Amino acid sequence: DGGITQSPKYLFRKEGQNVTLSCEQNLNHDAMYWYRQDPGQGLRLIYYSQIVNDFQKGDIAEGYSVSREKKESFPLTVTSAQKNPTAFYLCASSQREGLAADTQYFGPGTRLTVL
Amino acid sequence: QKEVEQDPGPLSVPEGAIVSLNCTYSNSAFQYFMWYRQYSRKGPELLMYTYSSGNKEDGRFTAQVDKSSKYISLFIRDSQPSDSATYLCAMSARYTGFQKLVFGTGTRLLVSP
Repeated sequence: DGGITQSPKYLFRKEGQNVTLSCEQNLNHDAMYWYRQDPGQGLRLIYYSQIVNDFQKGDIAEGYSVSREKKESFPLTVTSAQKNPTAFYLCASSQREGLAADTQYFGPGTRLTVL
Repeated sequence: QKEVEQDPGPLSVPEGAIVSLNCTYSNSAFQYFMWYRQYSRKGPELLMYTYSSGNKEDGRFTAQVDKSSKYISLFIRDSQPSDSATYLCAMSARYTGFQKLVFGTGTRLLVSP
């Protein structure tokens, strides 16, 4: 089955810790994205990558970092600099070219809670 | 003013009702319009995708886009309890080849048996 997997499903972080959220896709998509979802605010873009070894900041990149060493993988690190990290994190992917490039498919999400 | 406005609900309807979900937007550059369904604690699932104005039908779902009014709608016919979820509208315009999706905050729908 083709799709996007995210792990872990639930993650707990202590103050001052960095944590890494995993995102893997087998859809052969070029572009990948990370969003944060908070109640009443909709989805906000953290980082995106259109091709391997390249990524760009989204609207709320402060306190986050990413890497894109493989086409299939786009891990997100939530650093201690992120002051309010408790949220639901969603990874998405899409093709890069053509009309289909405008359709993003989402993973099941990771719920991060700061203790 | 937000680029995309969506009533958060909740919208409560009895089983079998016709449901109308709506979003308004302010950016006239938007040309791709999507509706996602999100069950509690799950990732959004793409329901409908339309380009420019007009209607698109898929089973019990109809997506409608009125670019002149900057208004999009999702209609659900013969609603079922399994349709209970949060519905997110999303739209995009191309910026130098990159598609940036702008989401509404979502409308929570409750369909009672």
